[in-house]
Amino acid sequence: GAGVSQSPRYKVAKRGQDVALRCDPISGHVSLFWYQQALGQGPEFLTYFQNEAQLDKSGLPSDRFFAERPEGSVSTLKIQRTQQEDSAVYLCASSVSGRSYYEQYFGPGTRLTVT
Amino acid sequence: KQEVTQIPAALSVPEGENLVLNCSFTDSAIYNLQWFRQDPGKGLTSLLLIQSSQREQTSGRLNASLDKSSGRSTLYIAASQPGDSATYLCAVTSGNTPLVFGKGTRLSVIA
Repeated sequence: GAGVSQSPRYKVAKRGQDVALRCDPISGHVSLFWYQQALGQGPEFLTYFQNEAQLDKSGLPSDRFFAERPEGSVSTLKIQRTQQEDSAVYLCASSVSGRSYYEQYFGPGTRLTVT
Repeated sequence: KQEVTQIPAALSVPEGENLVLNCSFTDSAIYNLQWFRQDPGKGLTSLLLIQSSQREQTSGRLNASLDKSSGRSTLYIAASQPGDSATYLCAVTSGNTPLVFGKGTRLSVIA
């Protein structure tokens, strides 16, 4: 079956532009997570959804970051007025149930470069 | 606040060697620990998941151990192959909390 997919795979944005990153989780997976991975670092948690409910957004670095999952399936991470420090790989993961009890399956990531 | 440290940051070994990657975490009240593999430009692939009640998990040439009380885990790779070259990440969760990752160990296996 299909795994987690993300689009676009690569995005170059000029400083100040808005970007939208898409995640298609594994069908039927209840939980969806977004992570940010800077170069040479481990992924850092951004936000978590259970179905359409955003239960934790404590990792979002600023109010320029916004995530949604309106129908409990596809999710979009939006970054407004991008800054150079937003350059990173954005990873999406899904799991069959729950927040952390079950294995998370990761997508290939979107590499965002802000120039 | 949970912190995860991985040692060494990078490792280069000749093909065929057995090797050990180390992971330590500051808060021993974890629910599970996962080891992931990340290839350049790719996402993460889960290798092994150890529940807090378990001591070890094995998959093929990989064996992960967990000593919760001391806050340590090791990933043992037997008979390393060039295809094992990747970054290995350790992550823990304390129940109802997000995964906390280490920075990873970059492994190179030389043919």
